[in-house]
Amino acid sequence: KAGVTQTPRYLIKTRGQQVTLSCSPISGHRSVSWYQQTPGQGLQFLFEYFSETQRNKGNFPGRFSGRQFSNSRSEMNVSTLELGDSALYLCASSLVSLGEQFFGPGTRLTVL
Amino acid sequence: KNEVEQSPQNLTAQEGEFITINCSYSVGISALHWLQQHPGGGIVSLFMLSSGKKKHGRLIATINIQEKHSSLHITASHPRDSAVYICAPGNNDMRFGAGTRLTVKP
Repeated sequence: KAGVTQTPRYLIKTRGQQVTLSCSPISGHRSVSWYQQTPGQGLQFLFEYFSETQRNKGNFPGRFSGRQFSNSRSEMNVSTLELGDSALYLCASSLVSLGEQFFGPGTRLTVL
Repeated sequence: KNEVEQSPQNLTAQEGEFITINCSYSVGISALHWLQQHPGGGIVSLFMLSSGKKKHGRLIATINIQEKHSSLHITASHPRDSAVYICAPGNNDMRFGAGTRLTVKP
């Protein structure tokens, strides 16, 4: 069974731009969660999508948004990028909402 | 006070030693996850538990819901166990400890 894939793996953007990250879950998994990891704040929960609906949400500004498609693939969008958005963005899929998390390799975003 | 406290922050052990990592949390949870992150960044889920004890190979995880405390034990530690271990209590979201950096020397 293929694991969780994320694209792109690396991304460089400038302040003010927007970015879209993609996550393909393990086949059969209906939940996709997104996380931000920085050296200063560690891992933080962004949001979870389950069957195309946002099920849970962390404490991030509205510039961070996401969606999930009928095939369970998910995208995360960050608008008006700030320097502090530089981070490793991880997605994880699970069979049930916030169940055992299977993580992708992450997308490393650098904002200049 | 952080919602999730892990101890110790750093741990160096000799191969073969018994390791214990502790996690205390103040939030209500439906389950607690233990994660392992290797230097390359990849994260692997080790356990998800909501009560009692789970064992997988040399790893054991326990949780006491009343005391809001969980422990991860590694028996007969090996250099390949060197990684950052993160506890993550979850309910309607996931909270994360700062992680315990474990180094096992041969």
